[in-house]
Amino acid sequence: NAGVTQTPKFRILKIGQSMTLQCTQDMNHNYMYWYRQDPGMGLKLIYYSVGAGITDKGEVPNGYNVSRSTTEDFPLRLELAAPSQTSVYFCATVDSQETQYFGPGTRLLVL
Amino acid sequence: GQSLEQPSEVTAVEGAIVQINCTYQTSGFYGLSWYQQHDGGAPTFLSYNALDGLEETGRFSSFLSRSDSYGYLLLQELQMKDSASYFCAWGDSSYKLIFGSGTRLLVRP
Repeated sequence: NAGVTQTPKFRILKIGQSMTLQCTQDMNHNYMYWYRQDPGMGLKLIYYSVGAGITDKGEVPNGYNVSRSTTEDFPLRLELAAPSQTSVYFCATVDSQETQYFGPGTRLLVL
Repeated sequence: GQSLEQPSEVTAVEGAIVQINCTYQTSGFYGLSWYQQHDGGAPTFLSYNALDGLEETGRFSSFLSRSDSYGYLLLQELQMKDSASYFCAWGDSSYKLIFGSGTRLLVRP
């Protein structure tokens, strides 16, 4: 089992560019989440999904979009990158014991 | 509002015991989780309390008091590798987590 995988590991974007952060899990978990973590801070929930075809906003959804067409994949889309979106992005799933499993993260720098 | 408060930094000596406190204000509370994160790494699950009381997992224990909106993480027999950030987080019915800002633990020889 690979668990939760994320690509890319690191990316530099120019202001106004777009990109998609990929997240894939092989644990057959229904619930998936996207968090962002700014330096020295806790994680903030961006979007989450309770199953294929169902997504909902978290604490900080502005500037992001998600889709969930399969159980395995939960991509996060940035349409018009802004410096405020410079952060580390973590994807996660949760099991029946309420344990969240995090991917290794994507470090994004917007210049 | 919904918030969790934890100390920003704690320093302890190798082999000692350290307690990291977490107080919270929230509604729809389902349980309190603890996660460890080493610099440059992803958070990893340590412990979860759905009910009041103490949960023990090896050298780590976690406690919850719903009436006091308070919990703590207890780390025993500290090792150098325990130097990391520790986050408390409360969960709701969709297993969404709201994280505290984290406590940086420095273990000294």
